[in-house]
Amino acid sequence: KAGVTQTPRYLIKTRGQQVTLSCSPISGHRSVSWYQQTPGQGLQFLFEYFSETQRNKGNFPGRFSGRQFSNSRSEMNVSTLELGDSALYLCASSLVRMLDSNTGELFFGEGSRLTVL
Amino acid sequence: AQKVTQAQTEISVVEKEDVTLDCVYETRDTTYYLFWYKQPPSGELVFLIRRNSFDEQNEISGRYSWNFQKSTSSFNFTITASQVVDSAVYFCALVGRNNNDMRFGAGTRLTVKP
Repeated sequence: KAGVTQTPRYLIKTRGQQVTLSCSPISGHRSVSWYQQTPGQGLQFLFEYFSETQRNKGNFPGRFSGRQFSNSRSEMNVSTLELGDSALYLCASSLVRMLDSNTGELFFGEGSRLTVL
Repeated sequence: AQKVTQAQTEISVVEKEDVTLDCVYETRDTTYYLFWYKQPPSGELVFLIRRNSFDEQNEISGRYSWNFQKSTSSFNFTITASQVVDSAVYFCALVGRNNNDMRFGAGTRLTVKP
């Protein structure tokens, strides 16, 4: 069974550019959630998508957006990049929504490491 | 407001010792979910457990056990007979039913020496 796949693994952008990251969940999983990890702010939740709809959202500016396709693959977009957006972006997939069940294991990808120069 | 506090920044133990990682949380939601994750040196987050607020039963999974106490707002994690492979950063997290935002603690770096 293939795990969660994130692409690209590494990328370098300059300030003001935009970036799109992709996450392919485990087959059959309908929930995809995104997280940002930085040395200064630690791990922060960005948003969760389930059945192509955003269900939960963390405290991030509107420059951070996402979407989910009918095959459950998800993309995350960051526009007008800032130096502080340099981070490891992780996605996780699950069979169920974050708030819908007492169970529901999350499976994480290896992350996309973004460097903004 | 939601908040998760992991007061222990770093812990170092010798193999086979037991170790407890503390997690204290704050939330106004009456229904919420608590999580523990492990992040080994490779960087990939590994989900360990999810617990909801109305189930205070402690859980044991092999060498891992979790003690959930609503009275003290704590969800502590114990590793029994630690092993070198347990070396990692461990994160505690909270999602409130009405808050829609998962909050993470700062993490505890555990080093298990042979």
